[in-house]
Amino acid sequence: EVQLLESGGGLVQPGGSLRLSCAASGFSFSSYAMTWVRQAPGKGLEWVSTFSGGGGSTYYADSVKGRVTISRDNSKNTLYLQMNSLRAEDTAVYYCAKERGLERGALNYWGQGTLVTVSS
Amino acid sequence: DIQMTQSPSSLSASVGDRVTITCRASQGITNYLAWYQQKPGKVPKLLIYAASTLQSGVPSRFSGSGSGTDFTLTISSLQPEDVATYYCQKYNSAPRTFGQGTKVEIK
Repeated sequence: EVQLLESGGGLVQPGGSLRLSCAASGFSFSSYAMTWVRQAPGKGLEWVSTFSGGGGSTYYADSVKGRVTISRDNSKNTLYLQMNSLRAEDTAVYYCAKERGLERGALNYWGQGTLVTVSS
Repeated sequence: DIQMTQSPSSLSASVGDRVTITCRASQGITNYLAWYQQKPGKVPKLLIYAASTLQSGVPSRFSGSGSGTDFTLTISSLQPEDVATYYCQKYNSAPRTFGQGTKVEIK
């Protein structure tokens, strides 16, 4: 059974940093692209970042580019999202999701999400 | 960047009605289009990928069609458990943009 378990969310002041983790199990982690999606309170889904499963390419939304770094440790089956210079508009539930393919694909499994609140 | 525009933003229909939601890409994305369902307070769920392929376990009343720039999600006979917000997403390349969502309610 595929499981994705996010952690690392919490309350942080504007300008602060957080590192989100996503522990994966039940599939060959290194063989799939992995993605972070966020959802601000009462708003729609926003794609944040993707790390491919093959050559290690990374992609970022313009809204987070330069402030966020996605990484993965295939030996630990874990995906990370390092978030710096956080802003109020980064407040959201952050979901980790598995793509269907090595390089790209629809998101066929999602974690339960971790809430990030940026506030003073 | 390619924009994804869904319509309508919300709809209200009766149980048993046929419901259609459209998603338009500002440029062609061949068939790299997925549809997700998000029930209130729940995690999004994949319904359809590659524009028209039904994800395993999804009821057959859901179907998808389209290619290039214009796509459609159809619920052939709306059920009470289909109350949710539906999102399209392009995944041919980054940014893997979502549509703004369509909220479906029962009349």
